[in-house]
Amino acid sequence: AQTVTQSQPEMSVQEAETVTLSCTYDTSESDYYLFWYKQPPSRQMILVIRQEAYKQQNATENRFSVNFQKAAKSFSLKISDSQLGDAAMYFCAYRNNNDMRFGAGTRLTVKP
Amino acid sequence: DVKVTQSSRYLVKRTGEKVFLECVQDMDHENMFWYRQDPGLGLRLIYFSYDVKMKEKGDIPEGYSVSREKKERFSLILESASTNQTSMYLCASDPSGKNTGELFFGEGSRLTVL
Repeated sequence: AQTVTQSQPEMSVQEAETVTLSCTYDTSESDYYLFWYKQPPSRQMILVIRQEAYKQQNATENRFSVNFQKAAKSFSLKISDSQLGDAAMYFCAYRNNNDMRFGAGTRLTVKP
Repeated sequence: DVKVTQSSRYLVKRTGEKVFLECVQDMDHENMFWYRQDPGLGLRLIYFSYDVKMKEKGDIPEGYSVSREKKERFSLILESASTNQTSMYLCASDPSGKNTGELFFGEGSRLTVL
């Protein structure tokens, strides 16, 4: 079974600074999706950013960008200009058809 | 906007009780999922359904069953709740064949079994 590993249970960043959350995954497939989801406290999980494995270009969404290294099976999330509203649990996820796997999550704290 | 609604945000039940967790989505999605979220373990798939009356076991189906009688509604059933089923339960949906891969989540149901 595919696995997704987030090695940082907790991270902290100063407001306006940049932080990088790490994620590695294991798969024998060549075509799949990777995601970062955000779960704010007591609120629903929402998609932050998505990467198709066949695309070499790294996805970006405003202040959020990824570093996708397919050969290394690495998919990190960079948050630039961190804001207080970025404080949340972040989950890395892998999907191939209906097989969707999540990492254990990284709790991000943003300090004012 | 896609809306996935879970009927109860917080529930407290006794050991041995039968528990129903309801989930409704309003976007005509074919696929629906039930996950369990525990600290340090992330989200683990309990069951998913790709059509009415169709279901597939996920990674941790033991102690759970599901029902999908209508396309918009996917119910998770704990036949006899146990304390180790105390957890956050997340429902999600997505449109089959759209190939976007994204799941749309409900707000979660936090279940405590005493």
